[in-house]
Amino acid sequence: DGGITQSPKYLFRKEGQNVTLSCEQNLNHDAMYWYRQDPGQGLRLIYYSQIVNDFQKGDIAEGYSVSREKKESFPLTVTSAQKNPTAFYLCASRPLGQANTEAFFGQGTRLTVV
Amino acid sequence: GQQLNQSPQSMFIQEGEDVSMNCTSSSIFNTWLWYKQDPGEGPVLLIALYKAGELTSNGRLTAQFGITRKDSFLNISASIPSDVGIYFCAGQMNYGGSQGNLIFGKGTKLSVKP
Repeated sequence: DGGITQSPKYLFRKEGQNVTLSCEQNLNHDAMYWYRQDPGQGLRLIYYSQIVNDFQKGDIAEGYSVSREKKESFPLTVTSAQKNPTAFYLCASRPLGQANTEAFFGQGTRLTVV
Repeated sequence: GQQLNQSPQSMFIQEGEDVSMNCTSSSIFNTWLWYKQDPGEGPVLLIALYKAGELTSNGRLTAQFGITRKDSFLNISASIPSDVGIYFCAGQMNYGGSQGNLIFGKGTKLSVKP
């Protein structure tokens, strides 16, 4: 089945630790995105990538890092510099180069700092 | 970062009632998308709109792309308990040869009383 997969579903982190959230897609989509969701805040863009080995900061990139070594994969690292990392993280992808394209989301990863 | 104005923030309705929600923006969009998110899951695309004035239906859902390209609404007719969730609008702009990112509203939380 084609789709976008995030793992793990739930993640617990101790303060001061880095953690990496996985996002994989087999839709052959060019662009991939990471969003953070907090209650009442909607979706806020952390990082995005439109091509392998290139990525751009979104609105709230501080304390996060990403890589795009393969078209299928866009992992997000939440570093110890992120002061309030507890949130629901969503990955999305969409094709480029076409007139009308929609973004498709993964199932999300809920990160909790303990 | 830029966000859309989505209203209402929340709705409590009786099963069988119709629902209406809308998004407005100070910016023009080329595409409007409507997503639904169930608790703890990623958003799922409901309807995509690509032309100003376009009216599109998907079962009991109807959405319109405003003529000014700065607004969109979503109607749900004859609501049922499984309509419960958070509904997000998203606008997308394409600037010349670049591919615009999605801008999301803060969501409308729908509760349906049986």
